[in-house]
Amino acid sequence: QLQLQESGPGLVKPSETLSLICTVSGDSISSGNNFWGWVRQPPGKGLEWIGSMYYAGNTYYNPSLKSRVNMSVDTSKSQLSLHLSSVTAADAAIYYCVRDRGMDYGIDYWGRGILVSVSS
Amino acid sequence: QSVLTQPPSVSGAPGQRVTISCSGSSSNVGSNYVSWYQQLPGTAPKVLIYRNNQRPSGVPDRFSGSKSGTSASLAISGLRSDDEAEYSCAAWDDSLSGPVFGGGTKLTVL
Repeated sequence: QLQLQESGPGLVKPSETLSLICTVSGDSISSGNNFWGWVRQPPGKGLEWIGSMYYAGNTYYNPSLKSRVNMSVDTSKSQLSLHLSSVTAADAAIYYCVRDRGMDYGIDYWGRGILVSVSS
Repeated sequence: QSVLTQPPSVSGAPGQRVTISCSGSSSNVGSNYVSWYQQLPGTAPKVLIYRNNQRPSGVPDRFSGSKSGTSASLAISGLRSDDEAEYSCAAWDDSLSGPVFGGGTKLTVL
């Protein structure tokens, strides 16, 4: 059974960089045609796709966040990382790690999510 | 403001059937597959429907999806108390080159 586990600080200061890690188990992060990505949900609001990437390095970011986002994969650790720079209060959200099977099959697995607050 | 539009809430009595709508545009719902997710309080979203009307193994056939033009719907029949959750739709968006989501609909079982 595929499991996605997010980890990282639950509190980030404004203007600093939010960094999260997702550990993938139960499936190889480098298998098949799977993309791995991040989706966030601000309190009381809907879901927002942040970006997705293929283990070989192809990355796709939401244009609204592209200038501040960087994602990478460490296949040896089966981990996906997210870095979001220059955070503001608007970046406070639950961040979910997801398996993204693209336009044909969509997102089919979600981690439990990690709540990140932004405050000085 | 979510790209896909859903009603904020729906309700129904146990045993009844409810539908949740999801309205988009030609760049997302109108030209791509729709997925539906169930999010129980405090838990991660779980996929209920993919490719407009396909159910993953383990999802009861009480849940069904349909799509027509730039709108999609999720129907839940034989409502149960444990169906109380938030339901969200999603679709690939050609302009974004990524998925877009609805704002979520809270289902209350009366």
